[in-house]
Amino acid sequence: DTEVTQTPKHLVMGMTNKKSLKCEQHMGHRAMYWYKQKAKKPPELMFVYSYEKLSINESVPSRFSPECPNSSLLNLHLHALQPEDSALYLCASSLSGQNEQYFGPGTRLTVT
Amino acid sequence: GENVEQHPSTLSVQEGDSAVIKCTYSDSASNYFPWYKQELGKRPQLIIDIRSNVGEKKDQRIAVTLNKTAKHFSLHITETQPEDSAVYFCAASKTNFGNEKLTFGTGTRLTIIP
Repeated sequence: DTEVTQTPKHLVMGMTNKKSLKCEQHMGHRAMYWYKQKAKKPPELMFVYSYEKLSINESVPSRFSPECPNSSLLNLHLHALQPEDSALYLCASSLSGQNEQYFGPGTRLTVT
Repeated sequence: GENVEQHPSTLSVQEGDSAVIKCTYSDSASNYFPWYKQELGKRPQLIIDIRSNVGEKKDQRIAVTLNKTAKHFSLHITETQPEDSAVYFCAASKTNFGNEKLTFGTGTRLTIIP
């Protein structure tokens, strides 16, 4: 398997909801990333996991909570989001932090 | 932290002509420079990358050049085709013992005119 997969593809949630985004890779990559991308902007790094440990948190609000249950799986738990959090959420993985990153297709999130 | 500037923000090129996109970076310790292509509604796709120990890398119609002294790198696409139309992002990162992160440029919207 040479791809990063993400579910769901689309998500609409209210500001009081709790939802989770899921990312999976079976390439043996040991670094995994969450990015947020707004329209016509570059991806903006949120979190980095290296060997299943959180190594970078780019001062992301606590309403976003990442989790790395194992080396193949990365979750992003969402709670009490704001409409401005609506964006494309991209997951990426790399063999290690010094190697090329491969992106998943993203989850298009709309907060109402 | 690292800052990556990218120019131009939009570029229209006649089919068959060449396109060049330029990026500059601020951190002299940066040593890895990938380029991503993102079509509308799709994921960013790595198209070519270069490390600081080489000055140029080529893959068919795509090439990247790096000038470490001037801290800039460029993407060259020759014999452009309509399917090259997309947004292109450059990025930079440096070795940081598991804490590497990519800093992206602001993107270039490339349109190939048939």
